Amino acid sequence: NAGVTQTPKFQVLKTGQSMTLQCAQDMNHNSMYWYRQDPGMGLRLIYYSASEGTTDKGEVPNGYNVSRLNKREFSLRLESAAPSQTSVYFCASSVRPYLRAEAFFGQGTRLTVV
Amino acid sequence: QKEVEQNSGPLSVPEGAIASLNCTYSDRVSQSFFWYRQYSGKSPELIMSIYSNGDKEDGRFTAQLNKASQYVSLLIRDSQPSDSATYLCAVNRETSGSRLTFGEGTQLTVNP
Repeated sequence: NAGVTQTPKFQVLKTGQSMTLQCAQDMNHNSMYWYRQDPGMGLRLIYYSASEGTTDKGEVPNGYNVSRLNKREFSLRLESAAPSQTSVYFCASSVRPYLRAEAFFGQGTRLTVV
Repeated sequence: QKEVEQNSGPLSVPEGAIASLNCTYSDRVSQSFFWYRQYSGKSPELIMSIYSNGDKEDGRFTAQLNKASQYVSLLIRDSQPSDSATYLCAVNRETSGSRLTFGEGTQLTVNP
């Protein structure tokens, strides 16, 4: 049981380049999330998908887009990368979006934008 | 005021001692509370969840919730060097739908 799988694990981009971070879960969870983690800032929600077919903005959505491809997969796209997007990105999933919904995290993607 | 605040670290305790980690939250309608542990360079992993006022014990870990004071804490008894990590408090804020809001985390070091 792999849980939540993210690809790639590491990435270096040049300013202005685009890329897509992939996330897949095999726990049959309905809800999926993208967070970024910066030193001293904790985990901040970028976008989330409460269920298949829906996506909503989180706390810091600017510069990102998402796609809930199916129940298993939730991708995060950077259309034009900026140095401010250098961060560690975590994908997470939970069985349901409301009440008592523990989140399970992927291993993270360490992104550097130069 | 931050939505979820944790006591500033780093926190250092000797092996065998009790480590106390604290968290306050601003939204009174919050319903679900979680403690995650994150080792350096790794992803967060859930260690405790609590939904009702009072204490919840799991092995060496005890979570305490006081909704009237908007306060949740984590006690680690008989602390071990392997407990050295950053501990993240997370709150499910029903007013914002399905979001989990995290505190900045408290770094704990257990000294042998």
